[in-house]
Amino acid sequence: DARVTQTPRHKVTEMGQEVTMRCQPILGHNTVFWYRQTMMQGLELLAYFRNRAPLDDSGMPKDRFSAEMPDATLATLKIQPSEPRDSAVYFCASGPDRSRDIQYFGAGTRLSVL
Amino acid sequence: GNSVTQMEGPVTLSEEAFLTINCTYTATGYPSLFWYVQYPGEGLQLLLKATKADDKGSNKGFEATYRKETTSFHLEKGSVQVSDSAVYFCALSEGYNTDKLIFGTGTRLQVFP
Repeated sequence: DARVTQTPRHKVTEMGQEVTMRCQPILGHNTVFWYRQTMMQGLELLAYFRNRAPLDDSGMPKDRFSAEMPDATLATLKIQPSEPRDSAVYFCASGPDRSRDIQYFGAGTRLSVL
Repeated sequence: GNSVTQMEGPVTLSEEAFLTINCTYTATGYPSLFWYVQYPGEGLQLLLKATKADDKGSNKGFEATYRKETTSFHLEKGSVQVSDSAVYFCALSEGYNTDKLIFGTGTRLQVFP
């Protein structure tokens, strides 16, 4: 049963520390999305890639966030330095090219910045 | 710009009750419409979709009909179960030249025995 895998599932860190979240998209999917979910803002799109190329990162705070796809099996989201307001659940999703508007979500990384 | 508006939750129902969660949209062109469901501690998963006017999406007893004249895509189920307790998100696809989805704020459903 193919699924999107995110690590770690939970992360607690102190303000100012670097945080790296990883995502393994479903094999063969060529679009990857990063979302942030909070009670106040709901689900926000941070960035997305197609064929490993970044297409839209307008939702991402550029000064501290960065998203990359070093290869087709790995997407990373980094926050440096982290702040308490970054506390949220971060989801990765991937999608197949043949059905470009369906997205498959990972279970998320719950980040707490103290 | 394109947007999705959902009814605020939580929606609280007894088992076997009828469910409606309202969703309306604003869009240019001809978007596809979706319902995603998020169970506790999990990511979102696609529940159903409709790609053109008057299409009905259905899955697991849930249904939604794409109504262009009222710009709506309301989710319905005839008899809910405790296991349907989750957060439901309405979404639209901006068009065939983009992979992006626009999500509503989500509606929490709580079903009690």
